[in-house]
Amino acid sequence: EPEVTQTPSHQVTQMGQEVILRCVPISNHLYFYWYRQILGQKVEFLVSFYNNEISEKSEIFDDQFSVERPDGSNFTLKIRSTKLEDSAMYFCASSGGYSNQPQHFGDGTRLSIL
Amino acid sequence: GESVGLHLPTLSVQEGDNSIINCAYSNSASDYFIWYKQESGKGPQFIIDIRSNMDKRQGQRVTVLLNKTVKHLSLQIAATQPGDSAVYFCAENRDPQTSGSRLTFGEGTQLTVNP
Repeated sequence: EPEVTQTPSHQVTQMGQEVILRCVPISNHLYFYWYRQILGQKVEFLVSFYNNEISEKSEIFDDQFSVERPDGSNFTLKIRSTKLEDSAMYFCASSGGYSNQPQHFGDGTRLSIL
Repeated sequence: GESVGLHLPTLSVQEGDNSIINCAYSNSASDYFIWYKQESGKGPQFIIDIRSNMDKRQGQRVTVLLNKTVKHLSLQIAATQPGDSAVYFCAENRDPQTSGSRLTFGEGTQLTVNP
């Protein structure tokens, strides 16, 4: 069964450093998402991406965040200058349609900011 | 066993029993709902979805019920197995007109299946 894959599984970074989280969505999906989950809390939407541009973003997704689809398979989330509060699990998801279509999630990248 | 709303974060059942996990939503414009299962160290795994023009949908050992009158969603798991132990989240596409395809997640219910 096709799946979303994310790398690395765990990233440890010094505060203030840039970090790039990588995702390979399901190959025939057109809509891509990033969510995050702070330990013990619920999953929160960050951003959605379609046709090489951001479709929508939450208030969490400020100027420190950016997304990119550098080639036909990867989808990346960059945090330019990490803060302690960026520590969380970051999940990538993809879906085959805009709405009313299930989003399928990867197993996440645990980001730890020191 | 049954959980009520999002305020009871844990549900413990015996193997073989049926489980009912409940979820309340607040936005009557929500038109699509999904149940996810999250095991420790993994991402949310799609279980079943339902559109707002339906009130019931069945999968393999799972049934989702949607009551739009009281804005309530439930997940029923038949013959619960130890492998069903996980956190279960409901998620909604809250208002596609204004928020597109973003999913809003509930707080989750920890299901523990005792052998």
